[in-house]
Amino acid sequence: AQSVAQPEDQVNVAEGNPLTVKCTYSVSGNPYLFWYVQYPNRGLQFLLKYITGDNLVKGSYGFEAEFNKSQTSFHLKKPSALVSDSALYFCAVRDTGKSTFGDGTTLTVKP
Amino acid sequence: EAEVAQSPRYKITEKSQAVAFWCDPISGHATLYWYRQILGQGPELLVQFQDESVVDDSQLPKDRFSAERLKGVDSTLKIQPAELGDSAMYLCASSLSGRSDGELFFGEGSRLTVL
Repeated sequence: AQSVAQPEDQVNVAEGNPLTVKCTYSVSGNPYLFWYVQYPNRGLQFLLKYITGDNLVKGSYGFEAEFNKSQTSFHLKKPSALVSDSALYFCAVRDTGKSTFGDGTTLTVKP
Repeated sequence: EAEVAQSPRYKITEKSQAVAFWCDPISGHATLYWYRQILGQGPELLVQFQDESVVDDSQLPKDRFSAERLKGVDSTLKIQPAELGDSAMYLCASSLSGRSDGELFFGEGSRLTVL
């Protein structure tokens, strides 16, 4: 069985400050890890993924994520937050073609 | 840019009525998924198709839910009869294949309210 935990329901940061949204996972095989963003009343949009290789992956809108195998984590990061980054963020793990999502973290960036 | 199309965007119905949702995936995407997202939670898989075949419907409440993808392109998800607990966002997604290294492309969703 696979699972994803997003320990923070809400993350608040000031515009211009760095942000981190946390994710830990559990999977029996090789971890394929994803981050998606959801704006109100919209579907999810893909941000980035880790498949193999470099532990730091870069994605859309200046986001990046760091894969840490020993800590089974895949935290989402951005060096300088924008108000427009405010949204709901989901971490997901995929194995045998099936995706399991976390319950999401609401990011609020204040001006 | 190619998108996953879903309709209707919003549906309000009374319990015991029938409801249907439609999804048209990105052209060429062999794998299609239906997810249910309850407010405050992440999406949960209801059914996954590979072309016209169901590959996973283990979480689909088969006494009231049905899904089909007859020609391996667009898909319909039906609920009959609807219950109050079915109120949720129903998301359709597609991917080029069912491989684990591929990301999902989601539609805008269909929000169902059962009164």
